[in-house]
Amino acid sequence: GNSVTQMEGPVTLSEEAFLTINCTYTATGYPSLFWYVQYPGEGLQLLLKATKADDKGSNKGFEATYRKETTSFHLEKGSVQVSDSAVYFCALSGWGTGNQFYFGTGTSLTVIP
Amino acid sequence: DGGITQSPKYLFRKEGQNVTLSCEQNLNHDAMYWYRQDPGQGLRLIYYSQIVNDFQKGDIAEGYSVSREKKESFPLTVTSAQKNPTAFYLCASTRAPGTGGSGGELFFGEGSRLTVL
Repeated sequence: GNSVTQMEGPVTLSEEAFLTINCTYTATGYPSLFWYVQYPGEGLQLLLKATKADDKGSNKGFEATYRKETTSFHLEKGSVQVSDSAVYFCALSGWGTGNQFYFGTGTSLTVIP
Repeated sequence: DGGITQSPKYLFRKEGQNVTLSCEQNLNHDAMYWYRQDPGQGLRLIYYSQIVNDFQKGDIAEGYSVSREKKESFPLTVTSAQKNPTAFYLCASTRAPGTGGSGGELFFGEGSRLTVL
């Protein structure tokens, strides 16, 4: 079946620290992979995506590479800011999912000055 | 600007009452979804619709109902049968999958927070 396993939180980092949030997946087809961000009291916003193996998605200094060999899509940022404090969700959809979306449980990130 | 509008943003309900959450999109998307989010939890799928006049139950459909009479609208009714309805509700949409099987990303509304008094 299809599923996403995401690194447990919460994660607390100092400003300018390096961020990694791990995400691995299982899929029956050829999924697209996504990272969404949710700020308090708001809906989810797409942060970045990758549609095929070896693609790298990037946005606002965040990056993630679609690794088919390790079934992973880890989120990274070289230097986090206080404004990056939010909950991050990894998700998959696409081939073999019937246009369904499978989400990880979310990782809460707090960046302290 | 195209997007998804959910209303109301905050809603209070007395026990035994039905309430309806509105979701409207002007993105011309075929597929629409309702998710429930509890504090510190991930998203759980309530109902989804891939086309007008058709919808399917998700993982936690009991105590909820939906309709899809128009492409742009997908209202969710939380009935009195839902025993623990206090939660944050998110509506989302995406285009229908193309020949590659991928519909692209999911677009979300700002959410509706329902509290049972």
